[in-house]
Amino acid sequence: GENVEQHPSTLSVQEGDSAVIKCTYSDSASNYFPWYKQELGKGPQLIIDIRSNVGEKKDQRIAVTLNKTAKHFSLHITETQPEDSAVYFCAATLGGFQKLVFGTGTRLLVSP
Amino acid sequence: GAVVSQHPSWVICKSGTSVKIECRSLDFQATTMFWYRQFPKQSLMLMATSNEGSKATYEQGVEKDKFLINHASLTLSTLTVTSAHPEDSSFYICSARRTSGRGSDTQYFGPGTRLTVL
Repeated sequence: GENVEQHPSTLSVQEGDSAVIKCTYSDSASNYFPWYKQELGKGPQLIIDIRSNVGEKKDQRIAVTLNKTAKHFSLHITETQPEDSAVYFCAATLGGFQKLVFGTGTRLLVSP
Repeated sequence: GAVVSQHPSWVICKSGTSVKIECRSLDFQATTMFWYRQFPKQSLMLMATSNEGSKATYEQGVEKDKFLINHASLTLSTLTVTSAHPEDSSFYICSARRTSGRGSDTQYFGPGTRLTVL
């Protein structure tokens, strides 16, 4: 089955810096890769996703890149703000009725 | 984004009692919903997949008689923790799958329910 690895487990940056979180997946048939942000005591919130037919997607300060050959995808956050501090989870799925397989999460801390 | 609600947001119960958690998709119909469990500082662990009008599919190691799932409508799934014990204390999160006309699916999560069993 699919296996997703996520790095780093923790990431500390200064406000205004960029943050990059990387994930690798094992099943080359996976075709959908969402990223979720989870704040303390809350449910995960979908922040951006990418499907296998594109290599990059951007939404304001957030971007995701996908390298299907290498089977890895990354989340890029530019001009980080303290409110970006949270745990970020990547996930992968074969699509259709297949379940999401989550990474282990990255705790991002943005210091003022 | 789509909205998924959960009720209650937190519950405290005595050992041996049953607790029901509701998950609702507020602005779309969801033929499939999922139930997850999350321990502190860990990732989400899928417990079961709930399909409208049919029996839920449980992940390996999850007791179906202890975690009863009902998906009676396209907007509501319920998880009942039967005969709860302190080890069942956890953060339970549901999600609902929204399918677009182009066949692509997106999964949206509820805010979670904190269960504490005394």
